[in-house]
Amino acid sequence: GAVVSQHPSWVICKSGTSVKIECRSLDFQATTMFWYRQFPKQSLMLMATSNEGSKATYEQGVEKDKFLINHASLTLSTLTVTSAHPEDSSFYICSARGRLGVIANTGELFFGEGSRLTVL
Amino acid sequence: AQSVTQPDIHITVSEGASLELRCNYSYGATPYLFWYVQSPGQGLQLLLKYFSGDTLVQGIKGFEAEFKRSQSSFNLRKPSVHWSDAAEYFCAVAGNTGFQKLVFGTGTRLLVSP
Repeated sequence: GAVVSQHPSWVICKSGTSVKIECRSLDFQATTMFWYRQFPKQSLMLMATSNEGSKATYEQGVEKDKFLINHASLTLSTLTVTSAHPEDSSFYICSARGRLGVIANTGELFFGEGSRLTVL
Repeated sequence: AQSVTQPDIHITVSEGASLELRCNYSYGATPYLFWYVQSPGQGLQLLLKYFSGDTLVQGIKGFEAEFKRSQSSFNLRKPSVHWSDAAEYFCAVAGNTGFQKLVFGTGTRLLVSP
């Protein structure tokens, strides 16, 4: 199956700093990537949808200036948490969908391993 | 908009016993339905999915799920649980027009007792 890799898998940072999380599709071209946030013992909440070469679409209540998403290539999307605060500590998961006619036809999304952010 | 309900937060099953995890969805038409499993600190792995056709869907690791339109349900089952099945299970739904984003249920944590 298709592989999606996230990096880093965990990161600790000081309050006020910015953190970048990468999401890469290793063996397919991901035209669409989704970023989710998961609080402890809770479900995944969709933050935003990013399409390659265009601006991300954010879900209601998600601050686009706080969570910067860039999908500059067909294999890479990045999530930057700007001026991080302790309340931003969470598990961030990306998922990717390939080009129509390849993987997307199955309707399956492939998920990364997740990135745990802890803001001190 | 679609929504998913997983009424059981925790379920404990003895190893070797059968398992059923409940999932109910809300959507105006027939949705795309999924079950994912998440081990602690890990991403999600797809167990199975339903798009159309046979309402009984077979997945990986011996899991199956049945789509029941009349009950708006998509319950996950396994005839004999193994200790390695202990994990968090998420039911998810996507609309069947263009397949954009998944909406997840709150998850059910499965504990397997010896």
